[in-house]
Amino acid sequence: NAGVTQTPKFRILKIGQSMTLQCAQDMNHNYMYWYRQDPGMGLKLIYYSVGAGITDKGEVPNGYNVSRSTTEDFPLRLELAAPSQTSVYFCASRTTVGTGNTIYFGEGSWLTVV
Amino acid sequence: KQEVTQIPAALSVPEGENLVLNCSFTDSAIYNLQWFRQDPGKGLTSLLLIQSSQREQTSGRLNASLDKSSGRSTLYIAASQPGDSATYLCAVRGSGETSGSRLTFGEGTQLTVNP
Repeated sequence: NAGVTQTPKFRILKIGQSMTLQCAQDMNHNYMYWYRQDPGMGLKLIYYSVGAGITDKGEVPNGYNVSRSTTEDFPLRLELAAPSQTSVYFCASRTTVGTGNTIYFGEGSWLTVV
Repeated sequence: KQEVTQIPAALSVPEGENLVLNCSFTDSAIYNLQWFRQDPGKGLTSLLLIQSSQREQTSGRLNASLDKSSGRSTLYIAASQPGDSATYLCAVRGSGETSGSRLTFGEGTQLTVNP
């Protein structure tokens, strides 16, 4: 059972470059999320999706874009990378079926912008 | 705006000790509260989830309590072991939110259990 899978695990970007962080889940969860975690801080929500074709902004969406064409995949796009986007990025998912509310996280993607 | 605070930021204890981690939140209108464990270089693993109508949840050596009216939760770890060393985060889900049900996270408590 793979759960939530993120790629790449590590990436170094130059200022102004663009890239996409991939996230896939195999649990048929309808809700998916992208968070960032800065050193010594909690997680902040970037974007989320409540189902295929539906996305919405979280607390810190500037500089990012997302899409949700399938239930399984929720890629995060960084356009014109800036040093302030150096962080650890976590994808997460959960279902709203039944009473379970547990959220499942991927193992993170470490991004450095230089 | 919901704010979540965890005290202490770091804690070091000898093996076998019982310990308590604290989490406080400013808006008591929550749907649930969840405790997570984060190991270095890893994602978050859910430990316990307490619905707003519940007072506590238990799993093995872990017990989480919730006092919604005072905006507090505690995570009690009994007979701590070196394998418990990790960062523990609490997160609250607001009841006023509809779609997304976003979680607001605390900054975590870094726990070290010394052999």
